[in-house]
Amino acid sequence: DAKTTQPTSMDCAEGRAANLPCNHSTISGNEYVYWYRQIHSQGPQYIIHGLKNNETNEMASLIITEDRKSSTLILPHATLRDTAVYYCIVRATDNAGNMLTFGGGTRLMVKP
Amino acid sequence: DGGITQSPKYLFRKEGQNVTLSCEQNLNHDAMYWYRQDPGQGLRLIYYSQIVNDFQKGDIAEGYSVSREKKESFPLTVTSAQKNPTAFYLCASTRGQVFYNEQFFGPGTRLTVL
Repeated sequence: DAKTTQPTSMDCAEGRAANLPCNHSTISGNEYVYWYRQIHSQGPQYIIHGLKNNETNEMASLIITEDRKSSTLILPHATLRDTAVYYCIVRATDNAGNMLTFGGGTRLMVKP
Repeated sequence: DGGITQSPKYLFRKEGQNVTLSCEQNLNHDAMYWYRQDPGQGLRLIYYSQIVNDFQKGDIAEGYSVSREKKESFPLTVTSAQKNPTAFYLCASTRGQVFYNEQFFGPGTRLTVL
């Protein structure tokens, strides 16, 4: 699976949009982009995933560039409860075992 | 409510003792996973199982063992051969082997070896 690069940490004001970038310049055609988040001392939580089209659900939006080499997770109105580590993961469709490979993630701090 | 349970939340053991961490799911998921997380780091895969009575090693299987005798249970044993067992252990499960299925995680067990 392709490697991802994310900023180590980011701050966001409560109520504002949080835009979390992820670079996956070596992504191949059969690889999806997934986002999970982990609130302190809890298990990770699935947020969203996509292949090439932008995706939106009740939690967030995922914007993938046309060349698919980078993506941005958008939390439209960040709250204090969104403070967490956000992991961008690239996973191939032929990933035996359906495994996830976690990098260091981005530590998002939402401030009042 | 469906979900994944891990027990206990905190576990203390003396060096040289084997310890077994529990993971149970009532989601009727086929695949189950064990991850280890060290402070400030991402998750690393220890073992996974796609079906009952079958499991495969992940990236850091040395010093660990698992069993999958029932679909809903995937216990992890941390043996005395694991050189640095103190860590946060997370269990996950997913429905079938379809690649896009999300993984659901349990609350984790924090193991401290004294």
